[in-house]
Amino acid sequence: DIQLTQSPSSVSASVGDRVTITCRASQDISNWLGWYQQKPGKAPQLLIYVASSLQSGVPRRFRGSGSGTDFTLTINNLQPEDFATYYCQHTRYFPLTFGQGTRVEHK
Amino acid sequence: QVQLQESGPGLVKPSQTLSLTCSVSGGSINSGNYYWSWVRQPAEKGLEWIGRIYVGGGTTIYNPSLKSRVTISADTSRNQFSLNLASVTAADTAIYYCARGGDTGSYSGYFDSWGRGTLVTVSS
Repeated sequence: DIQLTQSPSSVSASVGDRVTITCRASQDISNWLGWYQQKPGKAPQLLIYVASSLQSGVPRRFRGSGSGTDFTLTINNLQPEDFATYYCQHTRYFPLTFGQGTRVEHK
Repeated sequence: QVQLQESGPGLVKPSQTLSLTCSVSGGSINSGNYYWSWVRQPAEKGLEWIGRIYVGGGTTIYNPSLKSRVTISADTSRNQFSLNLASVTAADTAIYYCARGGDTGSYSGYFDSWGRGTLVTVSS
């Protein structure tokens, strides 16, 4: 199975900040990586697919980048509704796996 | 817009079978380009993909970690798909989500629609 390791596990930030989350894959997955946002008590929501494509309806302040084994999710100009947990997920082959999550908290 | 809703018992005894159903509205589970999955999340933990069914071809793929205990099936007449997880233990206590995944091109493998999730507790 492909292991995905996210860092940091949590980050403290303020509204207006830029937040960067990384996801490292245990092997080359090309650009087969997505990012999800999950708020407490809610299902995850797809933000980014194939590393850098923005899901319909997702604000442009969310940006994905990377390929191979190293990927980044950047949130520019953090908004109040962005405080949540973020997960990466690979789709290179089965089984699909997720990172352990990164929590974006209020500073 | 497609909507998914999980249903089933919230409490299951150890060694019994966990059974959940996902009802889909706003789209047919038999339409092409999508497959239908189950994902679970233990309390305060991460996400685990359980498996998927492609209704058009009747094919299923399961997570090897659960493969011996999992069955996913579909009922196209009711526009539903189901999860059966046998021989459950406390480790299977989690929120269970049903989700729709893309099956073509660059969208393949990503979950763009999710149910709200249902908590299943395994306890005697």
